[in-house]
Amino acid sequence: GESVGLHLPTLSVQEGDNSIINCAYSNSASDYFIWYKQESGKGPQFIIDIRSNMDKRQGQRVTVLLNKTVKHLSLQIAATQPGDSAVYFCAEGYGNNRLAFGKGNQVVVIP
Amino acid sequence: EAGVVQSPRYKIIEKKQPVAFWCNPISGHNTLYWYRQNLGQGPELLIRYENEEAVDDSQLPKDRFSAERLKGVDSTLKIQPAELGDSAVYLCASSFGGKTGELFFGEGSRLTVL
Repeated sequence: GESVGLHLPTLSVQEGDNSIINCAYSNSASDYFIWYKQESGKGPQFIIDIRSNMDKRQGQRVTVLLNKTVKHLSLQIAATQPGDSAVYFCAEGYGNNRLAFGKGNQVVVIP
Repeated sequence: EAGVVQSPRYKIIEKKQPVAFWCNPISGHNTLYWYRQNLGQGPELLIRYENEEAVDDSQLPKDRFSAERLKGVDSTLKIQPAELGDSAVYLCASSFGGKTGELFFGEGSRLTVL
């Protein structure tokens, strides 16, 4: 039988299109947010972070948007490539250097 | 530069047996983390070390889990005795600096308890 939690929200995107992955966080005291990418069989890999005093930050092909009013975080990937296929996690930092990960979102890039 | 190194990559044991995982962080990283990741879920913190001191072990099931980082460098995580529900990937991560910064993760140790 299938295991609970095996089915991740999945975003299927055509190669070359833009991807948007969303994350809702719960702790209004969180002051630091990070997006991680996890490929099959590997550990999470840092993509980009943002402090709570910012609402947007750009990296190479990626942009993170933070809306503290509704406790929402998003990751935009421009010109999605096959190598972007992975599970993406958002994480929120709070308190004494605590970091809590959200549920993952699977991105599948269609060539 | 070598990344975070973990061993073993895979371990299959029967319930009630002990198991240990080893982690060598990135050189110079004073903060070391052990996370547990269940299938389809995000990593959950078990313990965080600043140098050799465990500064956050509130999520570590202390009845069967133990960890050490004796010289402030590499670390071991032990489970004794293992239960079926301990099947998961155990991830080690390290970072530099006091404030939560970029964590560098190892590839993890996948534990299967039969």
